[in-house]
Amino acid sequence: DAKTTQPPSMDCAEGRAANLPCNHSTISGNEYVYWYRQIHSQGPQYIIHGLKNNETNEMASLIITEDRKSSTLILPHATLRDTAVYYCIVSRVNTGFQKLVFGTGTRLLVSP
Amino acid sequence: NAGVTQTPKFQVLKTGQSMTLQCAQDMNHNSMYWYRQDPGMGLRLIYYSASEGTTDKGEVPNGYNVSRLNKREFSLRLESAAPSQTSVYFCASSEFRGEAFFGQGTRLTVV
Repeated sequence: DAKTTQPPSMDCAEGRAANLPCNHSTISGNEYVYWYRQIHSQGPQYIIHGLKNNETNEMASLIITEDRKSSTLILPHATLRDTAVYYCIVSRVNTGFQKLVFGTGTRLLVSP
Repeated sequence: NAGVTQTPKFQVLKTGQSMTLQCAQDMNHNSMYWYRQDPGMGLRLIYYSASEGTTDKGEVPNGYNVSRLNKREFSLRLESAAPSQTSVYFCASSEFRGEAFFGQGTRLTVV
């Protein structure tokens, strides 16, 4: 599975958009980009995933560059509850399961 | 619909003791996983089960064994606990290419 690089920490003001970057320059054609977050010491929570097209759901938007070497997770209106560690993961499409390899992620602090 | 349930939530063991961490999911997922998370670190995969009847080693399998008891349940066993196994253990389940659901974790301390 391709490795990912994320900044260790970011700050965001409440109500503003949070843009979290991820570099995955060695991604291959059958690998998806997944984003999870971990609030305090809880179990990680799925946010969104994509292959090559931009994706949006009720939590966030995922923008993947055309060459697929990097992506950005966008939280459009960050709240204090979005303070968490955000993990960008690249995972190969397997025949029956999904193996997630977590790095150290980006610690996002949302402030009033 | 409880999702992924882990028991116990907290445990203190003495070095050399054994214990089994239990995990059950009610989403009819085929795949299940065990991760550990040490302070300030990301999650590391211990073992996984792609489907009922199969198990495979992850990144850090030494000192652990697993059993996929049925489609719902996936247990993690520490045969002889060591202080280096002090960690938070997370169980997860998923379907192919879909989102993975995680339990709330078991906080294990080995003294």
